[in-house]
Amino acid sequence: SSELTQDPAVSVALGQTVRITCQGDSLRSYYASWYQQKPGQAPVLVIYGKNNRPSGIPDRFSGSSSGNTASLTITGAQAEDEADYYCNSRDSSGNRYVFGTGTKVTVL
Amino acid sequence: EVQLVESGGGLVKPGGSLRLSCAASGFTFSSYSMNWVRQAPGKGLEWVSSISSSSSYIYYADSVKGRFTISRDNAKNSLYLQMNSLRAEDTAVYYCAREDPVAGTIDYWGQGTLVTVSS
Repeated sequence: SSELTQDPAVSVALGQTVRITCQGDSLRSYYASWYQQKPGQAPVLVIYGKNNRPSGIPDRFSGSSSGNTASLTITGAQAEDEADYYCNSRDSSGNRYVFGTGTKVTVL
Repeated sequence: EVQLVESGGGLVKPGGSLRLSCAASGFTFSSYSMNWVRQAPGKGLEWVSSISSSSSYIYYADSVKGRFTISRDNAKNSLYLQMNSLRAEDTAVYYCAREDPVAGTIDYWGQGTLVTVSS
């Protein structure tokens, strides 16, 4: 299967830690990338590879992976982290991308 | 600064055609694979198509295969998506997106162009 499944929504208290998960068979072979998307804006890459952050992404964002599950952790969530988050990886052929179903993160 | 600017979106009737363009700047366009990704209103992201730097490798999502054609002109730093036989379910914001060969993932996105398929 080339599907990537995420929880639809999670909430986190300001300053606390939240973990978002992404499950799929292809994650056994390929790392996930994670994108943050705020309303009306294009997605922004926040994590890629084993646990890499593009320039300008705060270090409160981190990634991990085990078996068929990839995770994005926000340690010390801020109000500006409220957004939709999507995981992304290759499909089983390695030639196509597949996106997760998305998780809406609410910061309380 | 990497910039990707899409154009060509609009309202089209079912069965019609539309050609999207993406103008790239701020990087060596001819060295990067490029992608189209779409997002239906209120829905998630869906990968549509990719093209390698020299156009040698082209891939499509099953949902658009046989109807959409991706192409590029490295001399013009431009990416294209020819969309034929459009359906209501093709209604979405279409994003042009760059793939970083080192990161092995999509790293930059344009702001998108809206395609609405409706009679």
